Amino acid sequence: KAGVTQTPRYLIKTRGQQVTLSCSPISGHRSVSWYQQTPGQGLQFLFEYFSETQRNKGNFPGRFSGRQFSNSRSEMNVSTLELGDSALYLCASSFSGTSTDTQYFGPGTRLTVL
Amino acid sequence: QKEVEQDPGPLSVPEGAIVSLNCTYSNSAFQYFMWYRQYSRKGPELLMYTYSSGNKEDGRFTAQVDKSSKYISLFIRDSQPSDSATYLCAMSTGRRALTFGSGTRLQVQP
Repeated sequence: KAGVTQTPRYLIKTRGQQVTLSCSPISGHRSVSWYQQTPGQGLQFLFEYFSETQRNKGNFPGRFSGRQFSNSRSEMNVSTLELGDSALYLCASSFSGTSTDTQYFGPGTRLTVL
Repeated sequence: QKEVEQDPGPLSVPEGAIVSLNCTYSNSAFQYFMWYRQYSRKGPELLMYTYSSGNKEDGRFTAQVDKSSKYISLFIRDSQPSDSATYLCAMSTGRRALTFGSGTRLQVQP
């Protein structure tokens, strides 16, 4: 079974631009979560989607948004990029997103903001 | 103060050593505890998952949870160079969002 895939793997943008990252979950998984990983703050939860609905949201500004499609694929968007948005963005999928479900992580998209 | 504290290391040990990795937490609502391993340029992969106090063993790995002390540990027996990675503890209150420690970088010397 294929794992979680994320595209693109690397991205370079400039301040003020916007960016869209994509995540394809493991086949059959309906929950997708997004995390931001930086050297200073570590891994921080952004939001979680299940059946096209956002179920949970972390403490990030409104510039960070996401959505999920009917095939469970998910996208996250960051508008008006800031230097501090440079990070590894990780997507994780699980079958139903319950607390006992294992979350499987993708390899991440490394975003650099210049 | 962060909800989850983890010594960033780096921790360097010789091959075959027993490794002890630890996290402390302040939120008593955490019920589920996990350890992830992350190799360079890869996403985290789940090693151990537990939701009760006590020990859980899986091969060379043992996870220990002490809810009364708000302390969790991961022990790696007979460590191998292939165990060299960053180890992240993670916790959940049951609302699906994981709260991670900052990660401990482990280097096992051959």
